[in-house]
Amino acid sequence: GESVGLHLPTLSVQEGDNSIINCAYSNSASDYFIWYKQESGKGPQFIIDIRSNMDKRQGQRVTVLLNKTVKHLSLQIAATQPGDSAVYFCAEKGKTGGFKTIFGAGTRLFVKA
Amino acid sequence: GAVVSQHPSWVICKSGTSVKIECRSLDFQATTMFWYRQFPKQSLMLMATSNEGSKATYEQGVEKDKFLINHASLTLSTLTVTSAHPEDSSFYICSARDRGMTNEKLFFGSGTQLSVL
Repeated sequence: GESVGLHLPTLSVQEGDNSIINCAYSNSASDYFIWYKQESGKGPQFIIDIRSNMDKRQGQRVTVLLNKTVKHLSLQIAATQPGDSAVYFCAEKGKTGGFKTIFGAGTRLFVKA
Repeated sequence: GAVVSQHPSWVICKSGTSVKIECRSLDFQATTMFWYRQFPKQSLMLMATSNEGSKATYEQGVEKDKFLINHASLTLSTLTVTSAHPEDSSFYICSARDRGMTNEKLFFGSGTQLSVL
């Protein structure tokens, strides 16, 4: 069945450094991928998305990379700040199943001052 | 930007009672809303897809008689946890898709923490 998983459950980085959060997905039919940030006690917040016809997309301080060959997704955060501390989820939407979005396990990012 | 309002943000109830959670899209219309459940330090688990004007579609293993979903308008979906028990204690989150947008971006509510005593 479909699954989206993460390589690392926790990540600790120094303030100012770059962060890289990884995600592996198993459904090769997925055509849309999203990264969400969730702070404690709150709902997920959209960060950036990418379609399967792209391999890279950049936002403000964030970049998402998609490698369809190995079914791997990553989120890069430049100049990580204390406010970036949260749990990050990758999510996927397949071509079938309507618009439902399946979430991966999540990675907790700690930013050390 | 699009805003999804979820209410209440937290609720404590006695075992056996029912609890209703509301999810409203404030500045857009949503033909489809989703309900998720999240346990501490775990990911979001999709419970059901709420469709305006029709029956909800439940994920495998989710009891439809336990978790009643009503999507009576384009801006409101409700989740009712019936005869709640302590094992139903969890963080419930709704999300909605803007029917006026061509992408698949979802907007999430702030979640409801349910504690059943």
